[in-house]
Amino acid sequence: AQSVTQLGSHVSVSEGALVLLRCNYSSSVPPYLFWYVQYPNQGLQLLLKYTSAATLVKGINGFEAEFKKSETSFHLTKPSAHMSDAAEYFCAVALGAQKLVFGQGTRLTINP
Amino acid sequence: EAQVTQNPRYLITVTGKKLTVTCSQNMNHEYMSWYRQDPGLGLRQIYYSMNVEVTDKGDVPEGYKVSRKEKRNFPLILESPSPNQTSLYFCASSQLVVSHLIAGDTDTQYFGPGTRLTVL
Repeated sequence: AQSVTQLGSHVSVSEGALVLLRCNYSSSVPPYLFWYVQYPNQGLQLLLKYTSAATLVKGINGFEAEFKKSETSFHLTKPSAHMSDAAEYFCAVALGAQKLVFGQGTRLTINP
Repeated sequence: EAQVTQNPRYLITVTGKKLTVTCSQNMNHEYMSWYRQDPGLGLRQIYYSMNVEVTDKGDVPEGYKVSRKEKRNFPLILESPSPNQTSLYFCASSQLVVSHLIAGDTDTQYFGPGTRLTVL
């Protein structure tokens, strides 16, 4: 069965530092993978998605993620953190037509 | 503006009192889904619908009902709420993807703002 595991329920970085949020997936078929962001008191917003085209996927707000089949990973990165990046981030894998399976979420805190 | 709306946004109720959370989308999407979000568990799918009059159970359907009489609406019904249904609920919609060979934006699910439900 397809699933995702996000390593670290909380990540804290300094403003201007590299952001790295880890996601590993398990899938018996080529996966569709997504990263969503949830700002406080808001719904989920799509950051980026991998759909078997380029392995390096660029998303909104300067985020990107690299699909690595050999490592079954889809880690999310941003070179320089901003205070506005503080949010909860969810990795998800598509299971069949439209069904999304979400990871547990990683709360990102940015220190001034 | 393309959006998914949910009502109410906040609800406090008591055990056993039937309630309905509405969800509406204006993007003519075939697919709609309900999730609940709980700390440490991420989002778990409750029910989904591939089109009008077509609904199916997700991962945690117990205690919930849904209906899809119109394409734009997908209400979530709790016939007899219990405290373990205290959660944050999200409705989502997207165009229907028949095959993962289809690229583009049709895989993207659009989420509503959430409904925070407390059952006492």
